[in-house]
Amino acid sequence: NAGVTQTPKFRVLKTGQSMTLLCAQDMNHEYMYWYRQDPGMGLRLIHYSVGEGTTAKGEVPDGYNVSRLKKQNFLLGLESAAPSQTSVYFCASSHPRLGTYEQYFGPGTRLTVT
Amino acid sequence: AQRVTQPEKLLSVFKGAPVELKCNYSYSGSPELFWYVQYSRQRLQLLLRHISRESIKGFTADLNKGETSFHLKKPFAQEEDSAMYYCALNNYGQNFVFGPGTRLSVLP
Repeated sequence: NAGVTQTPKFRVLKTGQSMTLLCAQDMNHEYMYWYRQDPGMGLRLIHYSVGEGTTAKGEVPDGYNVSRLKKQNFLLGLESAAPSQTSVYFCASSHPRLGTYEQYFGPGTRLTVT
Repeated sequence: AQRVTQPEKLLSVFKGAPVELKCNYSYSGSPELFWYVQYSRQRLQLLLRHISRESIKGFTADLNKGETSFHLKKPFAQEEDSAMYYCALNNYGQNFVFGPGTRLSVLP
């Protein structure tokens, strides 16, 4: 099993450009999450999904959109990139098992917006 | 509102010394608490979860509901423990809240 994978690993965008980050998991997990990681801020939840076709806002959703058309994929979109969106983006998935929601993380995508 | 605090940004200890990484939380219900670790240039991985009361790599953590704390402890630090440690709180899977993280540096 590959676990949680993210595409791409690195990306440089110019202000105003758009892009989509892809997260895929092969563990048949119901829940998926997108975080951004910034120095001194830890991980902040952008959006999450509790099942195919459903999404919800997290702590910092502005400037991002998501879609969960297939259970195994969770897409994060930036319609008009801004320098404030320079960050490392992590995807995670989880599934309740014996009452716990342990999260499995992807390797991250480093995004720079100039 | 749910919140997780980790008061130390950086903690440096010598090899063989005890280490304690502090975590406090605010949550009105019964939370599920975790410690995640991120080694250099690697993805985050689960270290401990409070419900399993386990010891992983010599680390333990006890949930103290009275003090709303979930401190991570290890009696004898090793150089390979150097990493970023995040405390996290979960609300039935729908909302994870992470603390800002503590960078542990174990000096030789």
